[in-house]
Amino acid sequence: GQNIDQPTEMTATEGAIVQINCTYQTSGFNGLFWYQQHAGEAPTFLSYNVLDGLEEKGRFSSFLSRSKGYSYLLLKELQMKDSASYLCAPTDSWGKLQFGAGTQVVVTP
Amino acid sequence: GAVVSQHPSWVICKSGTSVKIECRSLDFQATTMFWYRQFPKQSLMLMATSNEGSKATYEQGVEKDKFLINHASLTLSTLTVTSAHPEDSSFYICSARDEPSGQETQYFGPGTRLLVL
Repeated sequence: GQNIDQPTEMTATEGAIVQINCTYQTSGFNGLFWYQQHAGEAPTFLSYNVLDGLEEKGRFSSFLSRSKGYSYLLLKELQMKDSASYLCAPTDSWGKLQFGAGTQVVVTP
Repeated sequence: GAVVSQHPSWVICKSGTSVKIECRSLDFQATTMFWYRQFPKQSLMLMATSNEGSKATYEQGVEKDKFLINHASLTLSTLTVTSAHPEDSSFYICSARDEPSGQETQYFGPGTRLLVL
């Protein structure tokens, strides 16, 4: 079965750092995606983790622990445009993504 | 990065008509594409997996005769909503799987908003 858990909402100020945690229980787990979705738009790709550890891409970093069924997305130097929903999506070997409800990040001035 | 397009971006139709949505990978070949549906303030729900040259695989609860999927080439998949009804009004999004050099990535199209009157 599939079970994905991430916080519903997080609020932070411009310039701050926010960490979005995600725990999952997925059969046939292959890797984990993080996507950003602005209201009314389709998701945009942020990262994909297959191996344990931290992957850094500019202001965004993503971490994966396969044994713990745990991942986090780290957003640094927050900007107003980072206000969006962030989706944790584990995938199986067929590439099928399962989405949780997402975490709404609100960036305040 | 890779680009996936969808057409149309918006469609309004009368109840009972059929609507065809196209999903194209513009600069890579996608043997696998996925179709999702998203209702307001809800998460994306996978509808079906579309494989080039074979029949689509539908998720539980998705009617295959109502949502016809055709993956005619490595860059094009189509979703046809047959005999659409108001409850089919939703945001339909496709994604395409890109596996260059074994590095998995999935890119989403911009989505198609369907409103059935």
